[in-house]
Amino acid sequence: EPEVTQTPSHQVTQMGQEVILRCVPISNHLYFYWYRQILGQKVEFLVSFYNNEISEKSEIFDDQFSVERPDGSNFTLKIRSTKLEDSAMYFCASSQPGQYYGYTFGSGTRLTVV
Amino acid sequence: GESVGLHLPTLSVQEGDNSIINCAYSNSASDYFIWYKQESGKGPQFIIDIRSNMDKRQGQRVTVLLNKTVKHLSLQIAATQPGDSAVYFCAELPSGGYQKVTFGTGTKLQVIP
Repeated sequence: EPEVTQTPSHQVTQMGQEVILRCVPISNHLYFYWYRQILGQKVEFLVSFYNNEISEKSEIFDDQFSVERPDGSNFTLKIRSTKLEDSAMYFCASSQPGQYYGYTFGSGTRLTVV
Repeated sequence: GESVGLHLPTLSVQEGDNSIINCAYSNSASDYFIWYKQESGKGPQFIIDIRSNMDKRQGQRVTVLLNKTVKHLSLQIAATQPGDSAVYFCAELPSGGYQKVTFGTGTKLQVIP
């Protein structure tokens, strides 16, 4: 069964450092997403990406965040200068148009900012 | 504004019993309502959905009920098994299918062997 793959599974970084979280979406999917989940809380939408541009973003996704699809397979989330409150699980997801039930999440990257 | 929330944070159920997980929503414009299961250390996994023009949908051991009058959604799991232990999120999706999914706060289901 196709999977969304995320690396690394756990990232520890110092406050103020830049981090890049990596995702390999399902190969024939066209829509890509990042969500985050602070420990014990609900999953929150960050950004959606289609046709090489951001289609929607939340208020969480400020200027410190950026996304990129550098090649035909990877989808990355960059946090320029991490803050303690950025510590969370970050989930990548991908989907086909009109098939949200094929909205597949990866297993997540646990980001710990110290 | 829109919100999707859950009545209870935790639910403990004896193995073999039926489980009912409830959810309240406030966005009447949502096109789909979805239940996700999240096991420890994993991402949310789609369980079942219901379109806003339906009031009941059945899957394998799961049933979702939608009451639009009171804006209430429930997930029923028949013959609950230890493998059902997880956090369950209700979520809503506007029409279009590619837009963001808005998650509720989650209910932790604990199955007692």
